[in-house]
Amino acid sequence: AQSVTQPDIHITVSEGASLELRCNYSYGATPYLFWYVQSPGQGLQLLLKYFSGDTLVQGIKGFEAEFKRSQSSFNLRKPSVHWSDAAEYFCAVAPGKAAGNKLTFGGGTRVLVKP
Amino acid sequence: EAGVAQSPRYKIIEKRQSVAFWCNPISGHATLYWYQQILGQGPKLLIQFQNNGVVDDSQLPKDRFSAERLKGVDSTLKIQPAKLEDSAVYLCASSLEWDSVYNSPLHFGNGTRLTVT
Repeated sequence: AQSVTQPDIHITVSEGASLELRCNYSYGATPYLFWYVQSPGQGLQLLLKYFSGDTLVQGIKGFEAEFKRSQSSFNLRKPSVHWSDAAEYFCAVAPGKAAGNKLTFGGGTRVLVKP
Repeated sequence: EAGVAQSPRYKIIEKRQSVAFWCNPISGHATLYWYQQILGQGPKLLIQFQNNGVVDDSQLPKDRFSAERLKGVDSTLKIQPAKLEDSAVYLCASSLEWDSVYNSPLHFGNGTRLTVT
């Protein structure tokens, strides 16, 4: 069974600084990989996704993520954080078409932005 | 397009009481999901519907949880009787198709926050 680990529970960054959120997955093949963001009291919004091709993928809100097969990682980055980026971020994995839409989420990383 | 609608937004009940949550997916979305999100954890899939049929309910505690999607549109999730550990946010999501989460991403509602005292 697939699993996702987000090692950092909380991260605090200053506005304008760069941000990197770590995600490690466990799965036998290359899974579908996703990053979602959840603002307080809101549902989850898809930031970006990856399955194949260029290992650096661009998403919405200025986010990007890099897939590294050798490290089983899919880290999320943003060059310059805005106060509105304060939220909780979830990495997720799906095994692929054969298993339907079963997403497994990591535990999340809460991002706090200092002015 | 209108998003996934959920109600109520908040619910407080005592243990052993029953509670029901309602979800209306995005129009035309065949697949509907219920997730449970306990504080400090990522969402966990409880049940997945394709139209009005169940695709996956392997993680649904069937002794106390039930869900239905009778006409293949809106859905109800029920807990009876509730336990303290059921305190969580219950998220509903929908997608256009069931067989590829990559090509048919999930759209989430804002959730129902349940507190069991």
